[in-house]
Amino acid sequence: NAGVMQNPRHLVRRRGQEARLRCSPMKGHSHVYWYRQLPEEGLKFMVYLQKENIIDESGMPKERFSAEFPKEGPSILRIQQVVRGDSAAYFCASSPTWLKGVSNTGELFFGEGSRLTVL
Amino acid sequence: GENVEQHPSTLSVQEGDSAVIKCTYSDSASNYFPWYKQELGKRPQLIIDIRSNVGEKKDQRIAVTLNKTAKHFSLHITETQPEDSAVYFCAASSPYNAGNMLTFGGGTRLMVKP
Repeated sequence: NAGVMQNPRHLVRRRGQEARLRCSPMKGHSHVYWYRQLPEEGLKFMVYLQKENIIDESGMPKERFSAEFPKEGPSILRIQQVVRGDSAAYFCASSPTWLKGVSNTGELFFGEGSRLTVL
Repeated sequence: GENVEQHPSTLSVQEGDSAVIKCTYSDSASNYFPWYKQELGKRPQLIIDIRSNVGEKKDQRIAVTLNKTAKHFSLHITETQPEDSAVYFCAASSPYNAGNMLTFGGGTRLMVKP
């Protein structure tokens, strides 16, 4: 029973290039969350997606960042024209189906993260 | 939105001593409070959680307490061991958030000296 799978684990990009990070949720999970962790800092929420829908992107920078979770395939976090400040660990987490009005089930299951280094 | 503050940012204890990490939250509607442990270079992993309908929960050497009135919750680790050394994150979740979105504290780096 594979957990949340993220790839690549490590990615090096030069300023101005594009970074694409992929996340496959746990089997049976249809909700994906992306968090960013800057060095020596906490986890900051970026975006919450369900299949083919962005539910909450309140933590996503307005420019250069985008996320998708297509009907088929993994969720993708895309960073265009990367800058040095984008260097961070990007964690994906998944959760089971959430039913509105029902107490949230709580736990998020995290992947091992993708560590982006911008030179 | 929710804001979670965590203290201290670093904590050094001697093996066998207890460690306490404290968090405060701002949204009185929050009702789920998990704690995650993150070892160096690894993913965060849930170690214990508490819901707002209970005041305390214990699991072997770790316990969590919640004071809803004061909007703070704490993690207690007794008889610390070197393998407890890691960064610990508290988090809070509101039923008004979409899905299981968690707001995390800034983390506490716990160092247990043998």
